[in-house]
Amino acid sequence: ILNVEQSPQSLHVQEGDSTNFTCSFPSSNFYALHWYRWETAKSPEALFVMTLNGDEKKKGRISATLNTKEGYSYLYIKGSQPEDSATYLCAFMEWGTGANNLFFGTGTRLTVIP
Amino acid sequence: DGGITQSPKYLFRKEGQNVTLSCEQNLNHDAMYWYRQDPGQGLRLIYYSQIVNDFQKGDIAEGYSVSREKKESFPLTVTSAQKNPTAFYLCASTARRVAHYTFGSGTRLTVV
Repeated sequence: ILNVEQSPQSLHVQEGDSTNFTCSFPSSNFYALHWYRWETAKSPEALFVMTLNGDEKKKGRISATLNTKEGYSYLYIKGSQPEDSATYLCAFMEWGTGANNLFFGTGTRLTVIP
Repeated sequence: DGGITQSPKYLFRKEGQNVTLSCEQNLNHDAMYWYRQDPGQGLRLIYYSQIVNDFQKGDIAEGYSVSREKKESFPLTVTSAQKNPTAFYLCASTARRVAHYTFGSGTRLTVV
């Protein structure tokens, strides 16, 4: 089982604040890194799939960066809104297994206070 | 709209009983997955299937069984051999190796 770590475990921010969280993953055998947003009582929703070192992806106020050599990815949220409150999951896909299996971190639970 | 349907949303099982969780997708995805979530832990892979009539064990397959007789369906049976089945179960599917997963809304199983 591969070790994928996310930090912090949870955080509370005020509406309008910008925030970021970290995903750490094995730096060897990298194939892809996924980010998902999981709102309470809903299905996890895909944010980004990142495959190249140095990749930067953006979706509205949310962006992500990827460093495969050192094994980390950052997720940024600019100007947090209450609707951004959710758990953010990252997941690592390993090269060479022949399967599409994802190894998930435990998530960062974000609460945006109005 | 295409998606994944999991049923039931909540399931109660008596000790010693087998129960089956349903997962159906209409996305025409080849690969399907079952994950389990416990408090304070990440999603852990139970079983996966990349093609009809073929499936593989994930990291925590003991006490579970699956079938993949149709592309659209990947039911998970929690057997009496599963020592601690109370958990939240998520089904997912994907079209190809780098594509994102699509998830169902999950089934919460409680042993009473």
